[in-house]
Amino acid sequence: GNSVTQMEGPVTLSEEAFLTINCTYTATGYPSLFWYVQYPGEGLQLLLKATKADDKGSNKGFEATYRKETTSFHLEKGSVQVSDSAVYFCALYAATGGYQKVTFGTGTKLQVIP
Amino acid sequence: DGGITQSPKYLFRKEGQNVTLSCEQNLNHDAMYWYRQDPGQGLRLIYYSQIVNDFQKGDIAEGYSVSREKKESFPLTVTSAQKNPTAFYLCASTLAGAGGTQYFGPGTRLLVL
Repeated sequence: GNSVTQMEGPVTLSEEAFLTINCTYTATGYPSLFWYVQYPGEGLQLLLKATKADDKGSNKGFEATYRKETTSFHLEKGSVQVSDSAVYFCALYAATGGYQKVTFGTGTKLQVIP
Repeated sequence: DGGITQSPKYLFRKEGQNVTLSCEQNLNHDAMYWYRQDPGQGLRLIYYSQIVNDFQKGDIAEGYSVSREKKESFPLTVTSAQKNPTAFYLCASTLAGAGGTQYFGPGTRLLVL
């Protein structure tokens, strides 16, 4: 079946540091890939997505590139802010047996300190 | 504004009691989902529904039940058979053919008295 593996947290960075959160996946066919962000006590929000190989998703300074050859979708940001502190989930979407399901990673908590 | 609402924000369950979590969306989305989130863990799928009057079990359906009588509503009942119901419950929806982007509600935190 489909699966998503992302790096364990928590990740603690100083403000303005470079961020990478690794994500790899296993899937049949050609899934779409997503990053969602969850702030404390809230639901998840879509951060960015990519629907085919070599696509780059970007939003709010975050970027991720769909790498089919390495089955990866790593999240990056050049300069993090305290307001980026949250839990980040990598996810893939694929139709399975006629039903459309999303598979989520376990989440990576990011803490940015001033 | 279009979106997904969940109520209540906090819910307390007594031993042996069934409780129902509400999820409503006015996005005209076809598919709706219920997830359970435990501290420090990812999301686990409980049930999902692609169309009205049809739903499928997810990975952890035991002790839960759902209905989908209207397109905009997908309530989740946590039954007394669910022995460890304390968790954060998230409802989500997607529009068919829109590439799988899920829109989430704010969540309901269920606690056991």
